[in-house]
Amino acid sequence: DQQVKQNSPSLSVQEGRISILNCDYTNSMFDYFLWYKKYPAEGPTFLISISSIKDKNEDGRFTVFLNKSAKHLSLHIVPSQPGDSAVYFCAASEETSYDKVIFGPGTSLSVIP
Amino acid sequence: EPEVTQTPSHQVTQMGQEVILRCVPISNHLYFYWYRQILGQKVEFLVSFYNNEISEKSEIFDDQFSVERPDGSNFTLKIRSTKLEDSAMYFCASRETGLASYEQYFGPGTRLTVT
Repeated sequence: DQQVKQNSPSLSVQEGRISILNCDYTNSMFDYFLWYKKYPAEGPTFLISISSIKDKNEDGRFTVFLNKSAKHLSLHIVPSQPGDSAVYFCAASEETSYDKVIFGPGTSLSVIP
Repeated sequence: EPEVTQTPSHQVTQMGQEVILRCVPISNHLYFYWYRQILGQKVEFLVSFYNNEISEKSEIFDDQFSVERPDGSNFTLKIRSTKLEDSAMYFCASRETGLASYEQYFGPGTRLTVT
């Protein structure tokens, strides 16, 4: 039962270029979405979030886009840096239970110098 | 910068034994969570805890699991009788109160190996 899907297990991008990580969800009750980054042997680190009332949220090099009708969101990293190499998890929660966060399987991003 | 800490970093136990995983959340946070990540799989929500009681739990969090806040700083996850399939990385997380953000801060994890 994959409510949050990240169909690309891995992605390679040249340093300085844009990284686009995609996420799809099936649960129409989800209305809060988060992206986390994870390095090996560390816990996930929060990157950016977006509420369903918005379609875009930007924080520095990171921008999240939400398309509710398509049940799709994406994380854009511009410009990509070697330190961005990590596993990126898309996550979501419902309005009635923001504490129950459902994670996707993750996309491993490699930024090549 | 304040951070969530977890001990031990690695716990090895025999099947059927009880284990307690410990976490110290960020001091002004009032919401606490446990997640697990089986090797090669996604991070899975186990339980959330607020105001000294469980607020949400997943189907994974059965009677073998319990959580406790024994004092003002620690938050523990107990597995009563461990199974081989409990082997995983267990992450504790915490967040502030308020509706401005639901951002959770994660600890580095405890690797549990059940033999």
